Amino acid sequence: QQPVQSPQAVILREGEDAVINCSSSKALYSVHWYRQKHGEAPVFLMILLKGGEQKGHEKISASFNEKKQQSSLYLTASQLSYSGTYFCGTENSGGYQKVTFGTGTKLQVIP
Amino acid sequence: SAVISQKPSRDICQRGTSLTIQCQVDSQVTMMFWYRQQPGQSLTLIATANQGSEATYESGFVIDKFPISRPNLTFSTLTVSNMSPEDSSIYLCSVEGLAGGPDRPYNEQFFGPGTRLTVL
Repeated sequence: QQPVQSPQAVILREGEDAVINCSSSKALYSVHWYRQKHGEAPVFLMILLKGGEQKGHEKISASFNEKKQQSSLYLTASQLSYSGTYFCGTENSGGYQKVTFGTGTKLQVIP
Repeated sequence: SAVISQKPSRDICQRGTSLTIQCQVDSQVTMMFWYRQQPGQSLTLIATANQGSEATYESGFVIDKFPISRPNLTFSTLTVSNMSPEDSSIYLCSVEGLAGGPDRPYNEQFFGPGTRLTVL
């Protein structure tokens, strides 16, 4: 079943923060985060593995709560370049497993 | 990271015809994936293609409609057969590399630029 993301859409002003949540009904091994700009392919941002890790990438970080089967993506001091649709992708076990993509969150950063 | 190219980048086709999409990777990979992304929607996995074996299709997708070839470790094709307007979508090729150590393996996934298909 497809992971559910919230919110579905959000508009931010430059410099504001945002949190995007991803929730799965199945036990998770890992959570991936991707950003897709209009007309382009998704770009891998980061991966979080089972173990509650919190990883960071510039001003974008994420956490993974395996007990709650949830992950959150944190965008701080947002920039115009952060605009796009964010997808989480989940794996249920390690090794070569397919990634199931979430419902998506459309983020728009305005000046 | 892997560099992936797809051909064609876009096409407009007539109902009832077929289109073959090519995916080329700059390195050898074990698994290749084909996704469909309908306008404004998330990505849906069509099938997984391993070299030397038949593709594995996800629920709702069948080989007769979406035949896949995987002749070697750097190339795959997806054919959209007997097209209808409902097949209008972006089709994306993806490859996966296994990273991390033996204790904590994880997959890095990279996407091709996509093929935008419009069926009239």
